[in-house]
Amino acid sequence: QVQLQESGPRLVKPSETLSLTCAVSGYSIRSGYYWGWIRQPPGKGLEWIGSVYHSAATYYNPSLKSRVSMSVDTSENQFSLKVNSVTAADTAVYYCARHTMVANLYFDYWGQGTLVTVSS
Amino acid sequence: NVLTQSPGTLSLSPGERATLSCRASQSVNSNSLAWYQQKPGQSPRLLIFGASTRATGIPDRFSGSGSGTDFTLTISRLEPEDFAVYYCQQYGISPPLFTFGPGTKVDIK
Repeated sequence: QVQLQESGPRLVKPSETLSLTCAVSGYSIRSGYYWGWIRQPPGKGLEWIGSVYHSAATYYNPSLKSRVSMSVDTSENQFSLKVNSVTAADTAVYYCARHTMVANLYFDYWGQGTLVTVSS
Repeated sequence: NVLTQSPGTLSLSPGERATLSCRASQSVNSNSLAWYQQKPGQSPRLLIFGASTRATGIPDRFSGSGSGTDFTLTISRLEPEDFAVYYCQQYGISPPLFTFGPGTKVDIK
């Protein structure tokens, strides 16, 4: 069974960098699929942030591209997200998820999500 | 490509049929259209991919249809556990971008 688990600081100060890691179990990142981050502000909808492949290829939502970076650590079977220069608008539940990039395109496994609050 | 979902809220009773709409501002390749269910405090759950294929373990009361710019999720007979928010999702290639609709909340009448 594929499982994803987000971890990282729950509280980040404005202008600082939000850093999260997603640990994957039950599936080797090296085996394929893309690994993405999606966020959801409290009471609002879902926003895709970006995705990374095991080769370290990345692609990001153009609306966030200037502040986002992602990386993958195949030895630890995990991938990471950084969002710099955060503001209160970055307060959200952050999910990591696995998705396909061939044939049908969808997110099939999701982490439980972690609420990150941006506040001084 | 902007996704619009309607209605925003659907108030129905258990046993009734639910019809949820997802409309795209530009034509969507059906293989990139998916539906998710989200309950309070939980992560989204994949229901339908490829516009009409049920994901593993999804009951057959859930069905998806549509093409081009208009897609529909139908729940044939609502069970108590189906009251939740439903999101549609599409993937565009230029630029590569996943987008989600704003969601439809199905609540108990």
